[in-house]
Amino acid sequence: RKEVEQDPGPFNVPEGATVAFNCTYSNSASQSFFWYRQDCRKEPKLLMSVYSSGNEDGRFTAQLNRASQYISLLIRDSKLSDSATYLCVVKSWNNNDMRFGAGTRLTVKP
Amino acid sequence: SQTIHQWPATLVQPVGSPLSLECTVEGTSNPNLYWYRQAAGRGLQLLFYSVGIGQISSEVPQNLSASRPQDRQFILSSKKLLLSDSGFYLCAGRDNSHEQYFGPGTRLTVT
Repeated sequence: RKEVEQDPGPFNVPEGATVAFNCTYSNSASQSFFWYRQDCRKEPKLLMSVYSSGNEDGRFTAQLNRASQYISLLIRDSKLSDSATYLCVVKSWNNNDMRFGAGTRLTVKP
Repeated sequence: SQTIHQWPATLVQPVGSPLSLECTVEGTSNPNLYWYRQAAGRGLQLLFYSVGIGQISSEVPQNLSASRPQDRQFILSSKKLLLSDSGFYLCAGRDNSHEQYFGPGTRLTVT
């Protein structure tokens, strides 16, 4: 089983739609969680950290369920510029590295 | 925040040739440094990480090696490239914050 699993998609949605991505992780010692965004042929960039209480940044909402070892990202009012691959990232207290999911690809269409 | 520099951006090399990719960091001291590879349409695979000068941990057996001769320099090498070494190579750094910063990447094609 992979440490971090994501639905690869692709998700094709119209502008203005609400879309949700899910991610599960296998290591119960995981302590830090992130969503990264990667544009085509570019490096990943941090989109937002995920806090235990859930957090919101504009149209983006991230939630964490430690009991189910599950992270989600909700994008409201999708824009064309949201088209990208979204990577779920998990860090454990006993690891020096971060574990990346394979990513979920999103295409927002006019 | 830190900045990660990588070069070259694109590289085409024949099978059996050597490889040297360099990554440098500015804006922080004693960062953790990482080399990842991303095959086309695939996720990020961690190849090596380093917590300090001369300290290298390898995640997967392969014909690649890494070195950290200076605090802010991380080098990925190979003596003889294989076709399967083609991919997008990303260097990343992380300081005391949890955020991991990536360089712009090197797209390697082995022919």
